Amino acid sequence: SQTIHQWPATLVQPVGSPLSLECTVEGTSNPNLYWYRQAAGRGLQLLFYSVGIGQISSEVPQNLSASRPQDRQFILSSKKLLLSDSGFYLCAWSVDSNYNSPLHFGNGTRLTVT
Amino acid sequence: AQSVTQLGSHVSVSEGALVLLRCNYSSSVPPYLFWYVQYPNQGLQLLLKYTTGATLVKGINGFEAEFKKSETSFHLTKPSAHMSDAAEYFCAVSLVVYDMRFGAGTRLTVKP
Repeated sequence: SQTIHQWPATLVQPVGSPLSLECTVEGTSNPNLYWYRQAAGRGLQLLFYSVGIGQISSEVPQNLSASRPQDRQFILSSKKLLLSDSGFYLCAWSVDSNYNSPLHFGNGTRLTVT
Repeated sequence: AQSVTQLGSHVSVSEGALVLLRCNYSSSVPPYLFWYVQYPNQGLQLLLKYTTGATLVKGINGFEAEFKKSETSFHLTKPSAHMSDAAEYFCAVSLVVYDMRFGAGTRLTVKP
């Protein structure tokens, strides 16, 4: 069966520090991968998605970037964190390119920028 | 543009009572619709999805939802609430590949 791992679970970082969040998927090949950010009362905001190694699409201009160095690895990064980057970050995968495919989420990383 | 609106950011019911969580969508063509549940400090878990065919969709944990095109709605129901149903619920719509849009969420509280 497929599983998705996200780490760390929680992170407290000072303003201006770098960020690296990692997500890996097991049990499937060539998944579509996504990064979402969740803010209280605002639902989920799609940040990036990837359909293959090295292929990244950005949905919202951010102080963030994403990379996919391996088929089942997705990394969210920042060179200098802002206070507004605080939130709950969720990685997800889907099995194919049909838009009726559900997303499967990791357990998230709660980032607090101080 | 496609979007979903969840009516009521908080819903409180007594254990054993009917659960009704409301979701309306806006789309010029029939969309694919989903309901997800999120427990504290966890990711989202798929409850059910509507693609095509039967308009009444059954999901996990006794939940079901009915797609009503005339009302552009996809409300989530459960006949009898359990304490374990307390969580946040998200309605989502997908009309474009790689772009699932989520509602703001409804927090369900179940009172003993």
